[in-house]
Amino acid sequence: EPEVTQTPSHQVTQMGQEVILRCVPISNHLYFYWYRQILGQKVEFLVSFYNNEISEKSEIFDDQFSVERPDGSNFTLKIRSTKLEDSAMYFCASSAKAVANTGELFFGEGSRLTVL
Amino acid sequence: GQQVMQIPQYQHVQEGEDFTTYCNSSTTLSNIQWYKQRPGGHPVFLIQLVKSGEVKKQKRLTFQFGEAKKNSSLHITATQTTDVGTYFCATNSNSGYALNFGKGTSLLVTP
Repeated sequence: EPEVTQTPSHQVTQMGQEVILRCVPISNHLYFYWYRQILGQKVEFLVSFYNNEISEKSEIFDDQFSVERPDGSNFTLKIRSTKLEDSAMYFCASSAKAVANTGELFFGEGSRLTVL
Repeated sequence: GQQVMQIPQYQHVQEGEDFTTYCNSSTTLSNIQWYKQRPGGHPVFLIQLVKSGEVKKQKRLTFQFGEAKKNSSLHITATQTTDVGTYFCATNSNSGYALNFGKGTSLLVTP
């Protein structure tokens, strides 16, 4: 069964360092997402990406964050200068259709980011 | 954007008891999706409801979408320990490019 894969599974970094989280969405999916989940809390939307551009972003997704689809398979989330409050599980997801058109999201297993 | 509220936040049941979680919105929703997240896992899609008054069943799970499309529920009959996890409802943003999750209901089932 096709799945979304994420690397690394866990990253520990020092405050102020740049971090890149990588995702390989399901191959025939067109819509890509990043979510984050602080331990024990809700799944928070960060950004969605379609047709090689950001289609929507949340208030959390400020200038410190960026996304890229550098080739036909990878989808990356970059945090330029990490803060302690960026510590969370980051989930990548993809869907074949837009959520407004009943697209269901397929999530990866997540990348746990710990900022010290 | 469209937002949903979920209650209860936590539920602890004995195995075999029923469980219900509710998802409410102040605005009419175009659709609602339900996801399950096992402890330490990632959200997994369960079902989508689109039509007013829709009821769907998956084995012991029954999903309902209210007539006014402002609320939804997930009911589990005769819970099992495998039902442990957090159940999230989610709905799309006004733009249709984001899925906004409720805070979830964490279910604990003790044998």
